[in-house]
Amino acid sequence: EIVLTQSPGTLSLSPGERAALSCRASQSLSSTYLAWYQQKPGQAPRLLIYGASVRATGIPERFSGSGSGTDFTLTISRLEPEDFAVYFCQQSGTFGQGTRLEIK
Amino acid sequence: QVRLQESGPGLVRPSQTLSLTCSVSGDSISSSGYYWAWIRQRPGKGLEWIGYIYDNDNTYYNTSLQRLLSMSIDTSKNQFSLRLTSVTAADTAVYYCARAVNSGSGTWFDPWGLGTLVTVSS
Repeated sequence: EIVLTQSPGTLSLSPGERAALSCRASQSLSSTYLAWYQQKPGQAPRLLIYGASVRATGIPERFSGSGSGTDFTLTISRLEPEDFAVYFCQQSGTFGQGTRLEIK
Repeated sequence: QVRLQESGPGLVRPSQTLSLTCSVSGDSISSSGYYWAWIRQRPGKGLEWIGYIYDNDNTYYNTSLQRLLSMSIDTSKNQFSLRLTSVTAADTAVYYCARAVNSGSGTWFDPWGLGTLVTVSS
């Protein structure tokens, strides 16, 4: 069973800064088999990225995904106030434990 | 626009059966080619995939739950359902239903229902 480990657990940044969130798999994945979600308090997760790097419909261009094998990254190029949330990576039936992105 | 909505009891007694239904609008559950999933989130915790169903002959369950779990589809109502037997306090969670895409680019879940909190307590 694949384990997805996200880091850091919490990331403190200011609006306008760049965020890089990591997701590491315990074994090599197909280069496209990774998705990213954003979850705000009291809300359901929202799909951001699938296929490792494809933005879902309606997702702003400041969100991008990259990586292959065991190391994947979600990058938010310039943080907006609404981007502060928890982010999860997912491959098949496994989710990472999440990274909390908080305002510094 | 596809929408999903969970429904079911918010309180279940220990050792009893948790039953939830997801109503789908904006897409035909029988002809769309998608899978239909259940995912839960324990209070303050991460996400746990429970399983998904394509049709009543094709179901895929989390191996840690499968002996307690069943899913079904009712095409006449455009709904799919979850049954989890012998529940304990550890099954207290927000339960989400979601549409699942299985493709050459992997599996992902979009959209999600709003979620429903199920508490297991006597």
